[in-house]
Amino acid sequence: QLHLQESGPGLVKPSETLSLICNVSGVSINSTNVYWGWIRQPPGKGLEWLANIHYSGSTYYPLSLKSRLTISVETSKNQFSLKMTSVTAADTAVYYCTRRVVGGDWFDPWGQGTLVTVSS
Amino acid sequence: QPVLTQPPSVSGAPGQRVTISCTGSSSNIGAAYDVHWYQQVPGSAPKLLIYENYHRPSGVPDRFSGYKSGTAASLTITGLQAEDDADYFCQSYDSALSDYVFGTGTTVIVL
Repeated sequence: QLHLQESGPGLVKPSETLSLICNVSGVSINSTNVYWGWIRQPPGKGLEWLANIHYSGSTYYPLSLKSRLTISVETSKNQFSLKMTSVTAADTAVYYCTRRVVGGDWFDPWGQGTLVTVSS
Repeated sequence: QPVLTQPPSVSGAPGQRVTISCTGSSSNIGAAYDVHWYQQVPGSAPKLLIYENYHRPSGVPDRFSGYKSGTAASLTITGLQAEDDADYFCQSYDSALSDYVFGTGTTVIVL
């Protein structure tokens, strides 16, 4: 059964780069019918889609954040990662990794999430 | 900013029926993009509840049902139970934004 587990730094200083990793177990990250991705949720607020990637290398980002985000796959470790540059306090959130099947627009399952706080 | 609008909260006694609305526009729900629903128990990750407007994943009780018409969708919980006390989010795709968009979220309060 597919299981996703995020890991992150916990605390990041303003203007620095945030790096997150999602460990995938139970399924090969090279699955052809899957997009892997990230969604975040600021404390007490709603959900925001951040990125998707297919193992072939195709990537997708929201226009509002595209310039700051890079998603990548590490096939040898069955992991994928997200980098966000120039973070501010507004980037404080719980970051979730997820799966989206090709041909579907929904996200399932989700990892448990990792809280990232941006503060000096 | 969320582009799908939901009521902040709905409430009901155990056994009652509650409905959560999700209002979009011509670039998302109204453009025939599917609506999906997630349940989030406080302190936990969201869980897929309904996909493609009305389909339930395996394991989701049939007291949860979804509906979509025009630029809006709804989630109905029939026979409310204490464990349904949670936040619920709708989600779709927006062609104008090229973005997967979520609703503002609704807290279901079981009285």
